[in-house]
Amino acid sequence: EAQVTQNPRYLITVTGKKLTVTCSQNMNHEYMSWYRQDPGLGLRQIYYSMNVEVTDKGDVPEGYKVSRKEKRNFPLILESPSPNQTSLYFCASSLKGGQGRLNEQFFGPGTRLTVL
Amino acid sequence: GEDVEQSLFLSVREGDSSVINCTYTDSSSTYLYWYKQEPGAGLQLLTYIFSNMDMKQDQRLTVLLNKKDKHLSLRIADTQTGDSAIYFCAESIASSGSARQLTFGSGTQLTVLP
Repeated sequence: EAQVTQNPRYLITVTGKKLTVTCSQNMNHEYMSWYRQDPGLGLRQIYYSMNVEVTDKGDVPEGYKVSRKEKRNFPLILESPSPNQTSLYFCASSLKGGQGRLNEQFFGPGTRLTVL
Repeated sequence: GEDVEQSLFLSVREGDSSVINCTYTDSSSTYLYWYKQEPGAGLQLLTYIFSNMDMKQDQRLTVLLNKKDKHLSLRIADTQTGDSAIYFCAESIASSGSARQLTFGSGTQLTVLP
């Protein structure tokens, strides 16, 4: 089954304790992205990756890191989490897209993170 | 980044039509999208419209596009309780090279009342 998986689905942690949220897709997509969803703010992009070893900042990258060593995986790393990073996080993937091409993004089920 | 704007909440009675509105900013967007997020789940593509179209109909869904005003709407006919969800509109914007990314609106929480 074609899908995007994220782990963990739920996480409660404390300020400053490093954590990683994994994301994996089995559709051979070039493009992967991380978003955070907060009430009234919609989805805001944290980081994205156009392909292996190619990553770039989105709209709200502060406090986050990513890596793209393999095409299927795109982990999100919080080196020193803070309470303002409490949010719902989504990973998404798609074909690279381009002018005139449908750019459907496939989303993971989300990770609910609480930082105390 | 570009702003895609939507109203936050909409309530309708079961059986009525729902209209969710969105304004976007990038006139070069080739496709415009509606995504649906059900409770506790990720977003799923609901429908989309190509920018050279004014209207697209798919069963109970009608998408209207007004390019002059950069206005997009989603009409759901005969709204059912299962339509209760958050609806996001999204536009594709130019990114590095020839790749394009999606910019999402804030989402409209649709509540269907019995």
